[in-house]
Amino acid sequence: RKEVEQDPGPFNVPEGATVAFNCTYSNSASQSFFWYRQDCRKEPKLLMSVYSSGNEDGRFTAQLNRASQYISLLIRDSKLSDSATYLCVVKAESNTGKLIFGQGTTLQVKP
Amino acid sequence: DGGITQSPKYLFRKEGQNVTLSCEQNLNHDAMYWYRQDPGQGLRLIYYSQIVNDFQKGDIAEGYSVSREKKESFPLTVTSAQKNPTAFYLCASRRSSGANVLTFGAGSRLTVL
Repeated sequence: RKEVEQDPGPFNVPEGATVAFNCTYSNSASQSFFWYRQDCRKEPKLLMSVYSSGNEDGRFTAQLNRASQYISLLIRDSKLSDSATYLCVVKAESNTGKLIFGQGTTLQVKP
Repeated sequence: DGGITQSPKYLFRKEGQNVTLSCEQNLNHDAMYWYRQDPGQGLRLIYYSQIVNDFQKGDIAEGYSVSREKKESFPLTVTSAQKNPTAFYLCASRRSSGANVLTFGAGSRLTVL
């Protein structure tokens, strides 16, 4: 089983739609969680950190479910510019510094 | 402006040759990382270093080597022992404390001919 798993998609949605991605992780000792965005042939960039109580940044909402070991990303009112690959990142344990990436979920927002 | 610089951006090499990818950061970050990305895949960890003169193997370290002689620099050597080296290589850094957020360089795209 992979340490961090995502549905690769692609998710094809119309503009204005709401779309949600999940990411599961295998190590229950995982400490920190993030969503990164990667555009084609570019480096990943931080979209948002994921906090235990859930957090929101504009149209984006991240949630953490420690009991079921998954995190989620919800995008409301999708824009064409949201088309990208969304990478889930998990910090394995507090003293290792090791960050594990999921394979990414591709989102295509269509007019 | 602070950031991470990777060079070269594109590199071609013949089979059997070693090649070194440069990664320099002026963010005063303690930890540095090398990831490999293949088409349609996520990032896989090659090596990481949390302090100068110390580094750890990631999940796919075979055929690669690194050094961390200076805080600012973390070069990656792709050796001839790496069976399938054609890939997009990404260097990243972060502070050891605080938000644990990774900052990435723009990447180096290596093609073996």
